Amino acid sequence: SYELTQALSLSVGLGQTARISCGGNNIGSKSVHWYQQKPGQAPVLIIYRNSYRPSGIPDRFSASNSGNTATLTISRAQAGDEADYYCQAWDSIAHVVFGGGTKLTVL
Amino acid sequence: QVHLVQSGAEVKKPGASVMVSCRASGYTFTTYGITWVRQAPGQGLEWVGWISTYNGNTNYAQKLQNRVTMTTDTSTTTAYMELSGLRSDDTAVYYCVRERDYGGDSFWFDSWGQGTLVTVSS
Repeated sequence: SYELTQALSLSVGLGQTARISCGGNNIGSKSVHWYQQKPGQAPVLIIYRNSYRPSGIPDRFSASNSGNTATLTISRAQAGDEADYYCQAWDSIAHVVFGGGTKLTVL
Repeated sequence: QVHLVQSGAEVKKPGASVMVSCRASGYTFTTYGITWVRQAPGQGLEWVGWISTYNGNTNYAQKLQNRVTMTTDTSTTTAYMELSGLRSDDTAVYYCVRERDYGGDSFWFDSWGQGTLVTVSS
Protein backbone atom coordinates (compact mmCIF):
# COMPACT_ATOMS: atom_id res chain seq x y z
CA SER A 1 0.00 0.00 0.00
CA TYR A 2 1.04 3.59 -0.51
CA GLU A 3 2.96 5.23 2.34
CA LEU A 4 3.85 8.81 3.23
CA THR A 5 6.94 9.34 5.35
CA GLN A 6 7.55 12.31 7.62
CA ALA A 7 10.26 13.08 10.12
CA LEU A 8 9.06 12.74 13.71
CA SER A 9 10.23 16.17 14.75
CA LEU A 10 11.76 19.41 13.57
CA SER A 11 13.04 22.45 15.43
CA VAL A 12 13.26 25.95 14.01
CA GLY A 13 14.35 29.25 15.44
CA LEU A 14 11.86 32.03 16.04
CA GLY A 15 11.51 34.03 12.83
CA GLN A 16 13.33 31.42 10.77
CA THR A 17 12.00 29.19 7.98
CA ALA A 18 10.82 25.64 8.65
CA ARG A 19 10.60 23.08 5.90
CA ILE A 20 8.61 19.95 6.64
CA SER A 21 9.01 17.08 4.20
CA CYS A 22 6.63 14.34 3.18
CA GLY A 23 8.13 11.50 1.19
CA GLY A 24 6.32 9.04 -1.05
CA ASN A 25 6.92 7.08 -4.21
CA ASN A 26 6.35 9.50 -7.08
CA ILE A 27 4.36 11.75 -4.76
CA GLY A 28 4.79 14.52 -7.31
CA SER A 29 2.12 12.83 -9.40
CA LYS A 30 -0.36 13.07 -6.56
CA SER A 31 -2.25 15.91 -4.95
CA VAL A 32 -0.96 16.54 -1.43
CA HIS A 33 -2.72 18.34 1.39
CA TRP A 34 -1.42 19.56 4.74
CA TYR A 35 -2.98 19.86 8.18
CA GLN A 36 -1.88 21.57 11.37
CA GLN A 37 -2.90 20.09 14.70
CA LYS A 38 -2.30 21.82 18.00
CA PRO A 39 -2.52 19.88 21.29
CA GLY A 40 -6.03 18.95 22.23
CA GLN A 41 -7.51 20.34 19.04
CA ALA A 42 -8.81 18.92 15.78
CA PRO A 43 -6.57 19.23 12.74
CA VAL A 44 -6.95 22.27 10.52
CA LEU A 45 -6.46 22.29 6.77
CA ILE A 46 -3.63 24.68 5.84
CA ILE A 47 -2.75 23.63 2.29
CA TYR A 48 -4.79 21.74 -0.29
CA ARG A 49 -4.01 20.52 -3.80
CA ASN A 50 -0.27 20.91 -3.27
CA SER A 51 -0.13 24.66 -2.88
CA TYR A 52 -3.50 26.31 -2.30
CA ARG A 53 -4.24 28.03 0.99
CA PRO A 54 -7.75 28.07 2.45
CA SER A 55 -9.06 31.47 3.39
CA GLY A 56 -7.69 32.63 6.71
CA ILE A 57 -4.38 30.78 6.42
CA PRO A 58 -1.44 33.21 6.44
CA ASP A 59 0.75 33.39 3.37
CA ARG A 60 3.68 32.42 5.60
CA PHE A 61 2.49 28.89 4.86
CA SER A 62 3.36 27.58 1.42
CA ALA A 63 4.00 24.20 -0.13
CA SER A 64 5.39 22.42 -3.15
CA ASN A 65 5.37 18.90 -4.51
CA SER A 66 7.77 17.28 -6.94
CA GLY A 67 9.43 13.94 -7.52
CA ASN A 68 9.34 11.88 -4.36
CA THR A 69 8.96 14.73 -1.87
CA ALA A 70 6.29 17.22 -0.94
CA THR A 71 7.37 20.13 1.25
CA LEU A 72 5.51 22.45 3.56
CA THR A 73 7.34 25.71 4.17
CA ILE A 74 6.60 27.95 7.12
CA SER A 75 8.28 31.34 6.83
CA ARG A 76 9.01 33.65 9.75
CA ALA A 77 8.10 30.95 12.23
CA GLN A 78 6.13 32.05 15.26
CA ALA A 79 5.59 30.45 18.65
CA GLY A 80 1.98 29.86 17.61
CA ASP A 81 3.16 27.63 14.77
CA GLU A 82 4.22 24.94 17.23
CA ALA A 83 2.06 21.98 16.30
CA ASP A 84 1.97 18.62 14.59
CA TYR A 85 1.85 18.78 10.81
CA TYR A 86 0.41 16.01 8.66
CA CYS A 87 0.56 15.48 4.94
CA GLN A 88 -2.20 13.56 3.19
CA ALA A 89 -2.79 12.15 -0.25
CA TRP A 90 -5.15 9.81 -2.03
CA ASP A 91 -4.18 6.52 -3.56
CA SER A 92 -6.42 4.38 -5.73
CA ILE A 93 -5.70 1.30 -3.62
CA ALA A 94 -5.05 2.60 -0.11
CA HIS A 95 -7.52 5.45 -0.59
CA VAL A 96 -6.78 8.19 1.95
CA VAL A 97 -3.23 8.12 3.27
CA PHE A 98 -1.75 10.30 6.00
CA GLY A 99 1.88 10.82 6.82
CA GLY A 100 2.92 9.99 10.37
CA GLY A 101 3.14 13.64 11.33
CA THR A 102 5.98 16.00 12.19
CA LYS A 103 6.12 17.80 15.52
CA LEU A 104 7.40 21.34 14.99
CA THR A 105 9.13 23.11 17.84
CA VAL A 106 9.87 26.83 17.59
CA LEU A 107 12.89 27.76 19.69
CA GLN B 1 -20.21 28.81 8.47
CA VAL B 2 -19.65 25.08 8.32
CA HIS B 3 -20.11 23.22 11.59
CA LEU B 4 -19.72 19.54 12.35
CA VAL B 5 -20.85 18.71 15.87
CA GLN B 6 -20.17 15.25 17.21
CA SER B 7 -21.69 13.24 20.02
CA GLY B 8 -19.99 12.95 23.38
CA ALA B 9 -17.30 10.67 24.72
CA GLU B 10 -18.01 6.98 25.12
CA VAL B 11 -16.58 4.24 27.32
CA LYS B 12 -17.18 0.72 26.10
CA LYS B 13 -16.14 -2.78 27.06
CA PRO B 14 -14.26 -5.03 24.66
CA GLY B 15 -16.60 -6.69 22.21
CA ALA B 16 -19.24 -3.99 22.46
CA SER B 17 -20.34 -1.59 19.75
CA VAL B 18 -20.29 2.19 19.63
CA MET B 19 -22.10 4.68 17.45
CA VAL B 20 -20.80 8.20 16.97
CA SER B 21 -22.95 10.89 15.40
CA CYS B 22 -21.96 14.01 13.49
CA ARG B 23 -24.47 16.78 12.87
CA ALA B 24 -23.60 19.02 9.95
CA SER B 25 -24.78 22.58 9.40
CA GLY B 26 -23.92 25.65 7.38
CA TYR B 27 -23.90 24.02 3.96
CA THR B 28 -25.93 21.71 1.76
CA PHE B 29 -25.37 18.35 3.40
CA THR B 30 -25.72 16.21 0.30
CA THR B 31 -23.12 18.14 -1.68
CA TYR B 32 -20.08 16.78 0.13
CA GLY B 33 -19.14 13.38 1.43
CA ILE B 34 -18.30 12.69 5.04
CA THR B 35 -15.12 10.92 6.02
CA TRP B 36 -14.24 9.51 9.41
CA VAL B 37 -10.68 9.74 10.71
CA ARG B 38 -9.40 8.41 14.02
CA GLN B 39 -6.40 9.21 16.17
CA ALA B 40 -5.18 6.89 18.90
CA PRO B 41 -3.65 8.56 21.96
CA GLY B 42 -0.31 10.11 21.04
CA GLN B 43 -0.50 8.73 17.52
CA GLY B 44 -1.14 10.01 14.01
CA LEU B 45 -4.24 10.23 11.88
CA GLU B 46 -5.85 7.13 10.42
CA TRP B 47 -8.54 7.02 7.75
CA VAL B 48 -11.56 4.98 8.82
CA GLY B 49 -13.81 5.38 5.80
CA TRP B 50 -16.11 7.53 3.72
CA ILE B 51 -19.78 7.84 2.97
CA SER B 52 -21.52 9.66 0.19
CA THR B 53 -24.20 11.87 1.65
CA TYR B 54 -25.82 11.90 -1.79
CA ASN B 55 -26.48 8.21 -2.30
CA GLY B 56 -25.12 6.40 0.76
CA ASN B 57 -22.24 4.70 -1.01
CA THR B 58 -19.45 3.77 1.36
CA ASN B 59 -15.77 2.95 1.27
CA TYR B 60 -14.08 1.57 4.35
CA ALA B 61 -10.49 1.05 5.39
CA GLN B 62 -9.64 -2.55 4.69
CA LYS B 63 -8.58 -3.31 8.26
CA LEU B 64 -11.97 -2.14 9.60
CA GLN B 65 -14.39 -3.04 6.84
CA ASN B 66 -15.80 -6.05 8.68
CA ARG B 67 -16.59 -4.00 11.78
CA VAL B 68 -17.49 -0.48 10.66
CA THR B 69 -20.78 0.80 9.27
CA MET B 70 -21.41 4.37 8.14
CA THR B 71 -24.82 5.83 7.53
CA THR B 72 -26.45 9.20 7.08
CA ASP B 73 -29.81 10.78 7.78
CA THR B 74 -30.34 13.56 5.29
CA SER B 75 -33.48 14.76 7.09
CA THR B 76 -31.37 15.73 10.10
CA THR B 77 -28.09 16.27 8.20
CA THR B 78 -26.42 13.78 10.48
CA ALA B 79 -23.79 11.17 9.74
CA TYR B 80 -23.21 8.11 11.88
CA MET B 81 -20.31 5.75 12.35
CA GLU B 82 -20.82 2.46 14.14
CA LEU B 83 -17.88 0.30 15.12
CA SER B 84 -18.54 -3.19 16.45
CA GLY B 85 -16.40 -5.82 18.13
CA LEU B 86 -14.47 -3.12 19.95
CA ARG B 87 -10.91 -3.83 21.01
CA SER B 88 -8.50 -1.90 23.16
CA ASP B 89 -6.67 -0.66 20.08
CA ASP B 90 -9.87 1.01 18.87
CA THR B 91 -9.40 3.52 21.68
CA ALA B 92 -9.06 6.81 19.85
CA VAL B 93 -10.55 10.18 19.09
CA TYR B 94 -12.88 9.79 16.12
CA TYR B 95 -13.36 12.79 13.84
CA CYS B 96 -15.97 13.36 11.20
CA VAL B 97 -14.74 15.58 8.41
CA ARG B 98 -16.22 17.15 5.32
CA GLU B 99 -14.55 15.90 2.19
CA ARG B 100 -13.71 18.03 -0.79
CA ASP B 101 -12.56 16.66 -4.09
CA TYR B 102 -11.15 17.67 -7.43
CA GLY B 103 -10.63 15.74 -10.61
CA GLY B 104 -11.59 12.39 -9.14
CA ASP B 105 -8.17 11.74 -7.63
CA SER B 106 -7.71 14.56 -5.14
CA PHE B 107 -9.59 14.42 -1.85
CA TRP B 108 -9.03 16.59 1.19
CA PHE B 109 -10.79 17.61 4.39
CA ASP B 110 -11.72 21.23 4.93
CA SER B 111 -13.90 21.06 8.04
CA TRP B 112 -13.47 18.84 11.07
CA GLY B 113 -15.75 17.93 13.92
CA GLN B 114 -14.51 18.46 17.45
CA GLY B 115 -13.76 14.76 17.86
CA THR B 116 -15.29 12.04 20.01
CA LEU B 117 -13.13 10.05 22.39
CA VAL B 118 -14.01 6.38 22.38
CA THR B 119 -12.35 4.43 25.18
CA VAL B 120 -12.40 0.66 25.14
CA SER B 121 -11.60 -0.80 28.51
CA SER B 122 -12.67 -3.73 30.61
